[in-house]
Amino acid sequence: GAGVSQSPRYKVAKRGQDVALRCDPISGHVSLFWYQQALGQGPEFLTYFQNEAQLDKSGLPSDRFFAERPEGSVSTLKIQRTQQEDSAVYLCASSLAPGGETQYFGPGTRLLVL
Amino acid sequence: QKEVEQNSGPLSVPEGAIASLNCTYSDRGSQSFFWYRQYSGKSPELIMFIYSNGDKEDGRFTAQLNKASQYVSLLIRDSQPSDSATYLCAVNRRGSTLGRLYFGRGTQLTVWP
Repeated sequence: GAGVSQSPRYKVAKRGQDVALRCDPISGHVSLFWYQQALGQGPEFLTYFQNEAQLDKSGLPSDRFFAERPEGSVSTLKIQRTQQEDSAVYLCASSLAPGGETQYFGPGTRLLVL
Repeated sequence: QKEVEQNSGPLSVPEGAIASLNCTYSDRGSQSFFWYRQYSGKSPELIMFIYSNGDKEDGRFTAQLNKASQYVSLLIRDSQPSDSATYLCAVNRRGSTLGRLYFGRGTQLTVWP
């Protein structure tokens, strides 16, 4: 398919477990964004990559959150020692241009921490 | 004060009516304004963007921007039950990372037949 894909679609973790969430952006898209969406809220920015460079990580809520995009395409968001407050939908979006505001979202990963 | 404020609704309109969704933003320097539609359990889908004061029409959708009042709205004409979704307003912010968007919490719209 030509859209943004994410995996897994659903993840249940026990508190304290580490999780890794994957995003495959649209081919050729330079910009990649991660957002966190809590129930009943709008998406909240987490981090931004331009190619392989992480230009903004100011939205990551704690040092338990880590993201990478080593080859400028696929990105992984890792959450260490998950807490219940990490339960949310994690959305990945990509855009063709550097800093592109016209962003296309993936289906999201719904994370539930028990 | 949140960056972007939306009335969370729910907003309920009959089929064929005009649905009006409103959004205010706090940063007077914001330049780009977006409306996303999000069906329950799905990801946001971009439906409109607007950069200049005034109206922008695309099919049944019209976005209206008033930078002096820091207000952006979305009108949906001839509303259909398939328009029932949450509508998210998003804006950029002067001085923040290019492309970083700030979203409101969304307005839930129900169109009843």
